[in-house]
Amino acid sequence: DTGVSQDPRHKITKRGQNVTFRCDPISEHNRLYWYRQTLGQGPEFLTYFQNEAQLEKSRLLSDRFSAERPKGSFSTLEIQRTEQGDSAMYLCASSLAFRGAGGSDEQFFGPGTRLTVL
Amino acid sequence: QKEVEQNSGPLSVPEGAIASLNCTYSDRGSQSFFWYRQYSGKSPELIMFIYSNGDKEDGRFTAQLNKASQYVSLLIRDSQPSDSATYLCAVGNNAGNMLTFGGGTRLMVKP
Repeated sequence: DTGVSQDPRHKITKRGQNVTFRCDPISEHNRLYWYRQTLGQGPEFLTYFQNEAQLEKSRLLSDRFSAERPKGSFSTLEIQRTEQGDSAMYLCASSLAFRGAGGSDEQFFGPGTRLTVL
Repeated sequence: QKEVEQNSGPLSVPEGAIASLNCTYSDRGSQSFFWYRQYSGKSPELIMFIYSNGDKEDGRFTAQLNKASQYVSLLIRDSQPSDSATYLCAVGNNAGNMLTFGGGTRLMVKP
Protein backbone atom coordinates (compact mmCIF):
# COMPACT_ATOMS: atom_id res chain seq x y z
CA ASP A 1 0.00 0.00 0.00
CA THR A 2 1.86 3.07 -1.23
CA GLY A 3 1.10 6.45 0.20
CA VAL A 4 0.79 9.82 -1.48
CA SER A 5 3.88 10.72 -3.50
CA GLN A 6 5.04 14.12 -4.69
CA ASP A 7 7.67 15.18 -7.15
CA PRO A 8 10.02 16.96 -6.95
CA ARG A 9 10.79 17.00 -3.24
CA HIS A 10 12.75 20.23 -3.54
CA LYS A 11 12.71 22.99 -6.14
CA ILE A 12 14.87 26.08 -6.27
CA THR A 13 13.97 28.62 -8.90
CA LYS A 14 14.55 32.22 -9.79
CA ARG A 15 11.87 34.83 -9.48
CA GLY A 16 9.76 35.03 -12.61
CA GLN A 17 10.22 31.40 -13.64
CA ASN A 18 7.38 28.89 -13.93
CA VAL A 19 7.35 25.71 -11.84
CA THR A 20 5.17 22.60 -11.90
CA PHE A 21 4.67 20.06 -9.14
CA ARG A 22 3.15 16.60 -9.40
CA CYS A 23 1.12 14.62 -6.89
CA ASP A 24 0.15 10.95 -7.09
CA PRO A 25 -2.57 10.12 -4.55
CA ILE A 26 -3.26 6.81 -2.85
CA SER A 27 -4.62 4.68 -5.71
CA GLU A 28 -8.22 4.21 -4.59
CA HIS A 29 -8.68 7.77 -3.31
CA ASN A 30 -11.03 9.93 -5.35
CA ARG A 31 -10.41 13.23 -3.53
CA LEU A 32 -7.20 15.22 -3.85
CA TYR A 33 -6.21 18.42 -2.07
CA TRP A 34 -3.40 20.94 -2.32
CA TYR A 35 -2.20 22.92 0.69
CA ARG A 36 0.63 25.38 1.27
CA GLN A 37 2.61 25.61 4.49
CA THR A 38 5.06 28.28 5.54
CA LEU A 39 7.45 28.04 8.46
CA GLY A 40 5.74 28.07 11.85
CA GLN A 41 2.25 27.94 10.38
CA GLY A 42 -0.30 25.21 9.80
CA PRO A 43 -1.10 24.14 6.24
CA GLU A 44 -3.45 26.44 4.31
CA PHE A 45 -5.97 25.02 1.86
CA LEU A 46 -5.44 25.90 -1.80
CA THR A 47 -7.72 23.71 -3.89
CA TYR A 48 -9.63 20.43 -4.03
CA PHE A 49 -10.57 17.85 -6.68
CA GLN A 50 -13.19 15.17 -6.63
CA ASN A 51 -12.13 12.79 -9.39
CA GLU A 52 -11.13 15.12 -12.26
CA ALA A 53 -13.36 18.04 -11.26
CA GLN A 54 -11.85 20.99 -9.41
CA LEU A 55 -14.62 21.84 -6.99
CA GLU A 56 -13.11 24.38 -4.63
CA LYS A 57 -10.41 27.04 -4.83
CA SER A 58 -9.14 29.23 -2.04
CA ARG A 59 -8.82 32.98 -2.39
CA LEU A 60 -5.12 32.30 -1.69
CA LEU A 61 -4.90 30.76 -5.15
CA SER A 62 -4.04 33.73 -7.34
CA ASP A 63 -4.31 33.73 -11.13
CA ARG A 64 -0.68 32.65 -11.30
CA PHE A 65 -1.61 29.30 -9.79
CA SER A 66 -3.34 26.57 -11.73
CA ALA A 67 -4.07 22.99 -10.82
CA GLU A 68 -5.26 20.07 -12.90
CA ARG A 69 -6.23 16.47 -12.40
CA PRO A 70 -6.89 15.40 -15.98
CA LYS A 71 -7.80 11.75 -15.57
CA GLY A 72 -8.84 11.76 -11.96
CA SER A 73 -5.58 10.21 -10.86
CA PHE A 74 -2.42 12.33 -10.52
CA SER A 75 -2.56 16.12 -10.20
CA THR A 76 -0.26 18.97 -11.16
CA LEU A 77 0.09 22.39 -9.57
CA GLU A 78 1.71 25.06 -11.70
CA ILE A 79 2.92 28.44 -10.48
CA GLN A 80 3.63 30.99 -13.18
CA ARG A 81 5.96 33.98 -12.76
CA THR A 82 7.07 32.88 -9.31
CA GLU A 83 7.56 35.46 -6.58
CA GLN A 84 9.65 35.24 -3.42
CA GLY A 85 6.43 35.08 -1.41
CA ASP A 86 5.63 31.76 -3.10
CA SER A 87 8.47 30.10 -1.17
CA ALA A 88 6.78 27.45 0.96
CA MET A 89 6.13 23.73 1.34
CA TYR A 90 3.43 22.60 -1.08
CA LEU A 91 1.54 19.64 0.30
CA CYS A 92 -0.77 17.26 -1.48
CA ALA A 93 -3.29 15.10 0.36
CA SER A 94 -5.83 12.52 -0.72
CA SER A 95 -8.89 10.89 0.78
CA LEU A 96 -11.58 8.38 -0.01
CA ALA A 97 -14.97 10.06 0.13
CA PHE A 98 -17.36 8.08 2.27
CA ARG A 99 -18.86 10.45 4.78
CA GLY A 100 -20.94 12.36 2.28
CA ALA A 101 -22.56 15.50 3.62
CA GLY A 102 -21.79 16.65 7.11
CA GLY A 103 -18.12 16.09 7.56
CA SER A 104 -14.68 15.63 6.14
CA ASP A 105 -12.81 12.44 5.34
CA GLU A 106 -9.43 11.55 6.76
CA GLN A 107 -6.82 13.16 4.56
CA PHE A 108 -3.38 11.62 4.12
CA PHE A 109 -0.50 13.85 3.15
CA GLY A 110 2.41 13.31 0.82
CA PRO A 111 5.98 14.31 1.70
CA GLY A 112 5.58 17.76 0.16
CA THR A 113 7.53 19.83 -2.34
CA ARG A 114 9.67 22.54 -0.80
CA LEU A 115 9.87 25.54 -3.13
CA THR A 116 12.52 28.22 -2.75
CA VAL A 117 12.23 31.28 -4.97
CA LEU A 118 15.44 33.30 -5.17
CA GLN B 1 -9.88 36.07 13.56
CA LYS B 2 -8.18 32.73 13.12
CA GLU B 3 -10.73 29.94 12.87
CA VAL B 4 -8.69 27.27 14.66
CA GLU B 5 -6.56 28.30 17.62
CA GLN B 6 -3.74 26.43 19.33
CA ASN B 7 -1.13 27.50 21.83
CA SER B 8 2.14 27.53 19.90
CA GLY B 9 4.14 26.27 22.88
CA PRO B 10 6.60 24.85 23.34
CA LEU B 11 4.92 22.51 25.78
CA SER B 12 7.60 20.70 27.73
CA VAL B 13 6.81 17.49 29.63
CA PRO B 14 9.07 14.88 31.23
CA GLU B 15 9.27 11.40 29.78
CA GLY B 16 6.45 9.20 31.04
CA ALA B 17 4.11 12.12 31.81
CA ILE B 18 0.79 12.96 30.16
CA ALA B 19 0.92 15.67 27.51
CA SER B 20 -2.28 17.65 27.01
CA LEU B 21 -2.75 19.60 23.79
CA ASN B 22 -5.71 21.89 23.26
CA CYS B 23 -7.53 23.45 20.32
CA THR B 24 -10.54 25.73 19.95
CA TYR B 25 -12.49 26.42 16.79
CA SER B 26 -14.94 29.09 15.70
CA ASP B 27 -17.36 27.31 13.34
CA ARG B 28 -20.06 25.88 15.59
CA GLY B 29 -21.34 23.69 12.76
CA SER B 30 -18.08 21.78 12.33
CA GLN B 31 -18.45 18.02 12.61
CA SER B 32 -15.05 16.46 11.95
CA PHE B 33 -11.82 16.99 13.85
CA PHE B 34 -8.34 15.69 13.26
CA TRP B 35 -4.97 15.63 14.99
CA TYR B 36 -1.81 15.49 12.91
CA ARG B 37 1.77 15.09 14.09
CA GLN B 38 4.50 16.86 12.15
CA TYR B 39 8.18 16.28 12.69
CA SER B 40 10.54 19.07 11.69
CA GLY B 41 10.98 19.15 7.92
CA LYS B 42 8.38 16.42 7.35
CA SER B 43 4.74 16.44 6.27
CA PRO B 44 1.76 16.07 8.63
CA GLU B 45 0.88 12.53 9.70
CA LEU B 46 -2.69 11.72 10.76
CA ILE B 47 -2.80 10.27 14.27
CA MET B 48 -6.39 10.68 15.44
CA PHE B 49 -9.80 11.76 14.23
CA ILE B 50 -13.02 12.31 16.16
CA TYR B 51 -16.54 13.10 15.03
CA SER B 52 -18.69 12.68 18.18
CA ASN B 53 -18.69 14.39 21.55
CA GLY B 54 -16.71 12.58 24.20
CA ASP B 55 -13.47 10.65 24.24
CA LYS B 56 -11.85 8.42 21.66
CA GLU B 57 -8.84 6.33 22.62
CA ASP B 58 -6.21 4.78 20.37
CA GLY B 59 -3.21 3.32 22.16
CA ARG B 60 -1.46 6.08 24.10
CA PHE B 61 -3.56 8.77 22.42
CA THR B 62 -6.97 10.06 23.52
CA ALA B 63 -8.90 12.68 21.59
CA GLN B 64 -11.60 14.60 23.43
CA LEU B 65 -14.34 16.65 21.78
CA ASN B 66 -16.76 19.11 23.34
CA LYS B 67 -18.87 20.70 20.62
CA ALA B 68 -20.79 22.92 23.04
CA SER B 69 -17.53 24.53 24.11
CA GLN B 70 -16.04 24.28 20.61
CA TYR B 71 -13.03 22.58 22.09
CA VAL B 72 -10.99 19.56 21.08
CA SER B 73 -7.97 18.14 22.86
CA LEU B 74 -5.36 15.42 22.50
CA LEU B 75 -3.88 13.57 25.45
CA ILE B 76 -0.68 11.59 25.05
CA ARG B 77 -0.05 9.16 27.89
CA ASP B 78 3.40 7.87 28.82
CA SER B 79 5.05 10.52 26.65
CA GLN B 80 8.25 9.47 24.92
CA PRO B 81 11.07 11.60 23.48
CA SER B 82 9.97 10.33 20.06
CA ASP B 83 6.66 12.15 20.59
CA SER B 84 8.53 15.46 20.38
CA ALA B 85 6.99 17.16 17.37
CA THR B 86 4.47 19.80 16.37
CA TYR B 87 0.85 18.72 16.78
CA LEU B 88 -1.64 20.24 14.38
CA CYS B 89 -5.36 20.45 15.07
CA ALA B 90 -7.53 20.44 11.94
CA VAL B 91 -11.25 21.04 11.55
CA GLY B 92 -13.18 19.80 8.54
CA ASN B 93 -15.89 21.84 6.88
CA ASN B 94 -19.33 20.40 6.33
CA ALA B 95 -18.85 20.11 2.59
CA GLY B 96 -15.98 17.73 3.32
CA ASN B 97 -13.69 19.46 0.91
CA MET B 98 -11.13 21.18 3.09
CA LEU B 99 -9.43 21.20 6.45
CA THR B 100 -8.66 24.36 8.42
CA PHE B 101 -5.53 23.96 10.50
CA GLY B 102 -4.38 25.64 13.65
CA GLY B 103 -0.84 26.91 13.87
CA GLY B 104 0.27 23.86 15.81
CA THR B 105 1.66 23.24 19.28
CA ARG B 106 5.29 22.23 19.64
CA LEU B 107 5.70 19.42 22.16
CA MET B 108 9.04 18.64 23.76
CA VAL B 109 9.38 15.44 25.80
CA LYS B 110 12.50 15.52 27.93
CA PRO B 111 14.23 12.25 28.90
